[in-house]
Amino acid sequence: KNQVEQSPQSLIILEGKNCTLQCNYTVSPFSNLRWYKQDTGRGPVSLTIMTFSENTKSNGRYTATLDADTKQSSLHITASQLSDSASYICVVSAGAAGNKLTFGGGTRVLVKP
Amino acid sequence: EPEVTQTPSHQVTQMGQEVILRCVPISNHLYFYWYRQILGQKVEFLVSFYNNEISEKSEIFDDQFSVERPDGSNFTLKIRSTKLEDSAMYFCASTRTQGTYEQYFGPGTRLTVT
Repeated sequence: KNQVEQSPQSLIILEGKNCTLQCNYTVSPFSNLRWYKQDTGRGPVSLTIMTFSENTKSNGRYTATLDADTKQSSLHITASQLSDSASYICVVSAGAAGNKLTFGGGTRVLVKP
Repeated sequence: EPEVTQTPSHQVTQMGQEVILRCVPISNHLYFYWYRQILGQKVEFLVSFYNNEISEKSEIFDDQFSVERPDGSNFTLKIRSTKLEDSAMYFCASTRTQGTYEQYFGPGTRLTVT
């Protein structure tokens, strides 16, 4: 069964600090890995999409890494802002079509002033 | 910037009633999806739709669910006879094509079954 596990479940950081979120997956056949940001009560918004051959991708202050051998990914948030408070969800896509997504449970990040 | 829209934002219904959740995907997108998120739980894939037919569905998407693209713009999810456990946030998403293209999610419809 395809699974995506994230850690930590939640974390609190001070504004301006960095943090790193972790994702482990068992999804086969792997197509791509995505990180989404979800504000409470809203739909997820894509941050990055990485294929098997990519091991890092950045989107502003967000940098995602992928190790396809160990089936791990991380999302690093640099110089956090209050608006970064949200859930960050690791999502892995399986199959040749790559359109069936398996979601992790998310890491809830709270940035405090 | 084009976006996926969903109506209503909140639907309250009684157990056993039929509900239809509506979505307007981004206009040049060809693939459409429904997901649900029970409060406090993971987002779960329900169904993908392309070229007027279901391309993939999950175990959750049983006979009480159906999807339709009744015209050139709307994409609907019908739940035939709602149960208490259908209470969740339902998200519609669309993408231009399959594979590594970004899926754009709508704001969701909160369905409450009483």
